[in-house]
Amino acid sequence: GENVEQHPSTLSVQEGDSAVIKCTYSDSASNYFPWYKQELGKGPQLIIDIRSNVGEKKDQRIAVTLNKTAKHFSLHITETQPEDSAVYFCAASIVNNNDMRFGAGTRLTVKP
Amino acid sequence: GAGVSQSPSNKVTEKGKDVELRCDPISGHTALYWYRQSLGQGLEFLIYFQGNSAPDKSGLPSDRFSAERTGGSVSTLTIQRTQQEDSAVYLCASSLRVDNRQPQHFGDGTRLSIL
Repeated sequence: GENVEQHPSTLSVQEGDSAVIKCTYSDSASNYFPWYKQELGKGPQLIIDIRSNVGEKKDQRIAVTLNKTAKHFSLHITETQPEDSAVYFCAASIVNNNDMRFGAGTRLTVKP
Repeated sequence: GAGVSQSPSNKVTEKGKDVELRCDPISGHTALYWYRQSLGQGLEFLIYFQGNSAPDKSGLPSDRFSAERTGGSVSTLTIQRTQQEDSAVYLCASSLRVDNRQPQHFGDGTRLSIL
């Protein structure tokens, strides 16, 4: 089955700096890669996703890149703000399989 | 519109008791998922429902765990004879349809504490 690894487990940046979180996956059949943000006491919320026919996607300060050959994808947050502090999860979904495998999460702290 | 609703938000019970956790998915979503999240950990897949198909129970950790989904909408996760290691946040998510590329929308979870 699919295995998703996420790095780093914790990340601390200064406000205004960029943050990058990386994930790798094992099954080349995976074709959908969402990113979730989880704030304390809340459920994960989808912030951006990418499909295998696209190499990069941007939404304001957030971007995701996908390298299918290397089987890795990354989340980039620019101009970080304290409210970006949360736990971020990557995930990968396998074609014709209805479950989604999540990374272990990255705790991002943005220092004001 | 209304999101995924879970109840109760918190549950404290004694070891050995049974507990039921409820999930109301987003209206019209045919797929429903249960996950377990232990303190500071990622999401552990438990069970998946898709329409009227047989559920995928491959993630259930033991036969003390079961789930049902009545009428293709509300789902209940039941844990029998609870153990302390069952303490975790139980998250429910729903998605629009069978297509595995549909995003999952999560509730805020039930925080279960076994004394």
